[in-house]
Amino acid sequence: GEDVEQSLFLSVREGDSSVINCTYTDSSSTYLYWYKQEPGAGLQLLTYIFSNMDMKQDQRLTVLLNKKDKHLSLRIADTQTGDSAIYFCAEKKDDSWGKFQFGAGTQVVVTP
Amino acid sequence: EPEVTQTPSHQVTQMGQEVILRCVPISNHLYFYWYRQILGQKVEFLVSFYNNEISEKSEIFDDQFSVERPDGSNFTLKIRSTKLEDSAMYFCASRSGVEYSNQPQHFGDGTRLSIL
Repeated sequence: GEDVEQSLFLSVREGDSSVINCTYTDSSSTYLYWYKQEPGAGLQLLTYIFSNMDMKQDQRLTVLLNKKDKHLSLRIADTQTGDSAIYFCAEKKDDSWGKFQFGAGTQVVVTP
Repeated sequence: EPEVTQTPSHQVTQMGQEVILRCVPISNHLYFYWYRQILGQKVEFLVSFYNNEISEKSEIFDDQFSVERPDGSNFTLKIRSTKLEDSAMYFCASRSGVEYSNQPQHFGDGTRLSIL
């Protein structure tokens, strides 16, 4: 199968941590990405992780990869109102020319 | 930081008309892509392009669609005879060909296509 699944909505208070989850079904996917989409804007690359890693940290962002469970998460520390957006996870299969399979996106709403 | 640019930002077209969506990828990138996002749905892969030819396409990319790199900077998506269901946001993306094929794709802001 080729489905990438994400929960559709997350509400978080400003200053708290957000955790966005993603599951994928194809074990041949070896590269996973997180993109952010603000209203009316394009897809902004946030971070990415390769299958030979289980964690990657980049400032407020932490990506965790559990290959056994095919589970990917993005943690945003100290969430700010500017983090309100739709977050997409995407997978790329090792044998493709770069075709990405996207999840449906998780809408994150940050409340004061 | 270099970015992918797309024009126009919004295109309104009568059903049955041809439309061309334009993209200027990042200048040293060698792999180019089109995706679409129907309102409220997933971002879907349409086509990838490398070395002046299509390298991969989805089942959405039928004979009504074509891509072209007419010069050294532009990358276009043409829809020959538009249908109502072609209404969507169309994203162009590019990535470098340097080193590994796992280099991330960089996306433009999209063209919103509305078919009337």
